[in-house]
Parts: sequence; C-alpha cells; structure tokens
Amino acid sequence: DVKVTQSSRYLVKRTGEKVFLECVQDMDHENMFWYRQDPGLGLRLIYFSYDVKMKEKGDIPEGYSVSREKKERFSLILESASTNQTSMYLCASSPRDRGTYGYTFGSGTRLTVV
Amino acid sequence: GIQVEQSPPDLILQEGANSTLRCNFSDSVNNLQWFHQNPWGQLINLFYIPSGTKQNGRLSATTVATERYSSLYISSSQTTDSGVYFCAVKDYGNKLVFGAGTILRVKS
Repeated sequence: DVKVTQSSRYLVKRTGEKVFLECVQDMDHENMFWYRQDPGLGLRLIYFSYDVKMKEKGDIPEGYSVSREKKERFSLILESASTNQTSMYLCASSPRDRGTYGYTFGSGTRLTVV
Repeated sequence: GIQVEQSPPDLILQEGANSTLRCNFSDSVNNLQWFHQNPWGQLINLFYIPSGTKQNGRLSATTVATERYSSLYISSSQTTDSGVYFCAVKDYGNKLVFGAGTILRVKS
C-alpha cells in the first residue's frame, strides 16, 4: 500500500561523495517535492517539480540538485556531500489539480555524512 | 515569505490527559493543514482547516484566520498519539511552509 517510496531508509556517506536520493510515486502525481527535516527547524523545501524535466528551487537549494526524467521519479543529488547535510530527507507528491491538498509523503531517508 | 510558529516545542503527557497545540502564522492564509509524524517518520495529514472547526474522533482543530492562529486539541491522549505535530500553510504556487513542530510524548 506504499505510494511514495524512498529508496533508502538509512544512508551513511563520506564527505565529498556524490549522493543520490531516489523517490518514486505510483499515484500519477504531477507535483513532487524534496524537504529536509532538522530538529527545531521543521521541514524546509529544497527543490520541487511541477512536471517532467521541470524543477524549481525551494528555500534551501544550495549544495543540492535534482532530476526528473520520468513523471514518477524525482531524484535529489548532493554533488559533494558535507557534514552539514546530515539530516532526514522527505519526499512528497501531490496532484496538480488540488493545489496544496493531497500531499503524500514518503517515510524518509536519514542521511549521515561522516 | 510566510512565517509559521508552533508552540509548545515539546510536550509530555500522561495517558488520558488532554492537550492543545498552537500554530501562529504571519500572514493571511486560505489553506492550513495539520500533520502528524509517527515515530517511524511517516507524515500523515490530519486536517485541512483554512477556517472554522473540524473534529475527527479524539482530535479537533480550529482556525481563526482573522487572528492568524490555529489550534489542535487532543483529548484522552493515547501512547499512539506520540510523535511530531506540524502545521503547514500554503505559500505562493503549490508549496507548503511548515512550522518547527511540536514533539509530543504520551506516557502510559
């Protein structure tokens, strides 16, 4: 019954590595989002996409990039991982015609950069 | 952009107790939501409540848009209510802006 799947639950990477976080949804949603969650800061938007090959910067895009080659998949890329990118990463999707209603979240990837 | 503040940041309850969580926002909104994140990280929408009051079992939510706040009321709390509660409001486009959350721990 899982509808938004994030490829890894826990991930440990070394400083300087290129890291890929994958998110796949099976609800045919147009909108997809990447957030990071840190204690005391809530969820902050990194990047989002309203359609295939489309991407827009969120509030904290520095150090990240994204790729959306297929409608169901939205990838977050850390070009050169740093320790301050240690965090919980949450992917979400929503249908275009419902505005901000209908968000469905994945279970998150807890990334540790050492 | 819009600012969202939640209080209290942490709350510990004995099972069976009631609690009220608060969300204040900096600008007028037409879309406010409450989410619950369980201890395993899964975020679930509890309420869409741009104004007025809604109830779902032991939970109810009230938004007073003119005074820029929303409250989530939990009655007869259970250990399964533990987790983090977020309120979120719509920013430009179809983006949600989240508050910092309230961490709730219900003890048996």
